[in-house]
Amino acid sequence: QVQLVESGGGVVQPGRSLRLSCRDSGFIFSNYAVHWVRQTPGKGLEWVAVISYDGISHYYADSVRGRFITSRDNSKNTVFLQMNSLTTDDTAVYYCARDAYCSGPTCYEEANPSYFYAMDVWGQGTTVTVSS
Amino acid sequence: EIVLTQSPGTLSLSPGEGATLSCRASQSVSSTFLAWYQQKPGQAPRLLIYGASSRATGIPDRFSGTGSGTDFTLTISRLEPEDFAVYYCQQSGSPVTFGQGTKVEI
Repeated sequence: QVQLVESGGGVVQPGRSLRLSCRDSGFIFSNYAVHWVRQTPGKGLEWVAVISYDGISHYYADSVRGRFITSRDNSKNTVFLQMNSLTTDDTAVYYCARDAYCSGPTCYEEANPSYFYAMDVWGQGTTVTVSS
Repeated sequence: EIVLTQSPGTLSLSPGEGATLSCRASQSVSSTFLAWYQQKPGQAPRLLIYGASSRATGIPDRFSGTGSGTDFTLTISRLEPEDFAVYYCQQSGSPVTFGQGTKVEI
């Protein structure tokens, strides 16, 4: 079964840092880009960042660029989101989500590689609360 | 940045009725890059439609997507009790953006 599991959320003071983790199971992790998406209480979804399958490329929303860094360790099937200089506006549920387009070097080994543009597998979310 | 505007904000319907949800983009979006998600309280979003009109794995055929350019539509032909949720459109350009959501309520 394909799934993602986030961890690392919690309560943190403004100006401090937090690192989120997103671990996969059930698919060839290193073939897919991974997105981070957040949702503030009672609000909609906001895209935060994406990292390529090999970790070489990463892009960020304007609201977090320069403060957040995403990275990955494919040997551990894990993607990270390092969040620095946190503000109360960063309070949200953070989701990691797999980019559905199989872009890595071993897609041919997968039973059912996907090749479309969307986020097809999501974690359950981890809550980050920034408060003094 | 492409802004996606969804309408209406809330749809009040009954089981068995049909629902039509709109997503309008501030500039043209390739159909390849347009997706729809369903989200229920306390849950992560679930992919319903990708490529504007293709159903994701396991999605019942009462869900359908249409549209091109700047206007896209998600149609639910006959609402089941489990369909009452919030629906988001999303485009996969750079940067990725989501609409603000349409709540389908009883």
